[in-house]
Amino acid sequence: GESVGLHLPTLSVQEGDNSIINCAYSNSASDYFIWYKQESGKGPQFIIDIRSNMDKRQGQRVTVLLNKTVKHLSLQIAATQPGDSAVYFCAASAGGYNKLIFGAGTRLAVHP
Amino acid sequence: GAGVSQSPSNKVTEKGKDVELRCDPISGHTALYWYRQSLGQGLEFLIYFQGNSAPDKSGLPSDRFSAERTGGSVSTLTIQRTQQEDAAVYLCASSLGAGTVTYEQYFGPGTRLTVT
Repeated sequence: GESVGLHLPTLSVQEGDNSIINCAYSNSASDYFIWYKQESGKGPQFIIDIRSNMDKRQGQRVTVLLNKTVKHLSLQIAATQPGDSAVYFCAASAGGYNKLIFGAGTRLAVHP
Repeated sequence: GAGVSQSPSNKVTEKGKDVELRCDPISGHTALYWYRQSLGQGLEFLIYFQGNSAPDKSGLPSDRFSAERTGGSVSTLTIQRTQQEDAAVYLCASSLGAGTVTYEQYFGPGTRLTVT
């Protein structure tokens, strides 16, 4: 079946460093991808999205890269801050309608 | 503006009892989703409502799970005869829905279900 996976379950970085969180998806028909941030005790919050007709999109301190050839996307966070500590989920559209398939999540720990 | 709200925030139930979880989506959002998140896990899709169309129930894990959406707004997820494995955080999300250019889903804070 469809799946969205992450390469690493946890990522530890020093404050001020750049973070890169990776994600692989399986459905070649997926045309929309989204990253969510989930802080403890809260629901996931939107970070950034990208459509399949793009390979890069930038937001405030965040960049998403999409490689459709290998079905891989990544989230880059510049100058990581303690407030960035959370679990990050990628999700890919399941094709057809507004259904998203979520990955297992990567826990980002930012150390001072 | 108001986001997605869920109630209760925490629910403790005895094994074998029925529970109802409520979701109030963002006003004007025609699509509503329920997910389950077990400890340390990702989001497991349960059910999807879009307008007046028949819901996509493909993610419901058993016939003990059911959901309704009344008047195209509030939704209730019901779990009958709860089991230990039902313990999780149940998340609700809404989106603008089909025919729009965005798939972005807005999540509520979740209901943490504990089964004793």
